[in-house]
Amino acid sequence: AQSVTQPDIHITVSEGASLELRCNYSYGATPYLFWYVQSPGQGLQLLLKYFSGDTLVQGIKGFEAEFKRSQSSFNLRKPSVHWSDAAEYFCAVGALGRDDKIIFGKGTRLHILP
Amino acid sequence: DAGITQSPRHKVTETGTPVTLRCHQTENHRYMYWYRQDPGHGLRLIHYSYGVKDTDKGEVSDGYSVSRSKTEDFLLTLESATSSQTSVYFCAIGGRTGDSNQPQHFGDGTRLSIL
Repeated sequence: AQSVTQPDIHITVSEGASLELRCNYSYGATPYLFWYVQSPGQGLQLLLKYFSGDTLVQGIKGFEAEFKRSQSSFNLRKPSVHWSDAAEYFCAVGALGRDDKIIFGKGTRLHILP
Repeated sequence: DAGITQSPRHKVTETGTPVTLRCHQTENHRYMYWYRQDPGHGLRLIHYSYGVKDTDKGEVSDGYSVSRSKTEDFLLTLESATSSQTSVYFCAIGGRTGDSNQPQHFGDGTRLSIL
């Protein structure tokens, strides 16, 4: 069964600084990887996804993520954060196919300092 | 935004009462999901549906049942609510392309409190 770990429960960065959120996964086959963002009181919004091909994936809101098979990682990055990026971020791993369901990490809450 | 509406948005009820949450979509999507979100646990899948009358269990299905009598509606029922089911419940639907069975659009959630 697949699993996903987000090692950092909270991260604080200054506005304008770069950001990297870590995600490590465990899966026996080629994984399908996702990052979601959740603002307070809202549902999750898909930022980006990786299924195959180029291991550097571009998403919405200026985010990107890089799939590194050798490290079983799919870290989320942004070169310069904005105050509006303060939210909770979830990494998820899954696969296509009826019996394969997405497993979510427990989330990383991002705080932005002015 | 994907057309997903959850109702009610908030509910307070008592232990032992039945509760039904509704998810309505206007995307005509085949796959629909119910998750619960709890502090320290992230999102956990309760049940999902891959078509009308086709449903399957997720990782935390005990105490919950679902029904899908038409494409646009996916109902989650707590037959006899317990305090451990106090949570925020999210409905999701799949995407629009070949990866369409993965939850990619979420509703705004239902906050359920069981006293």
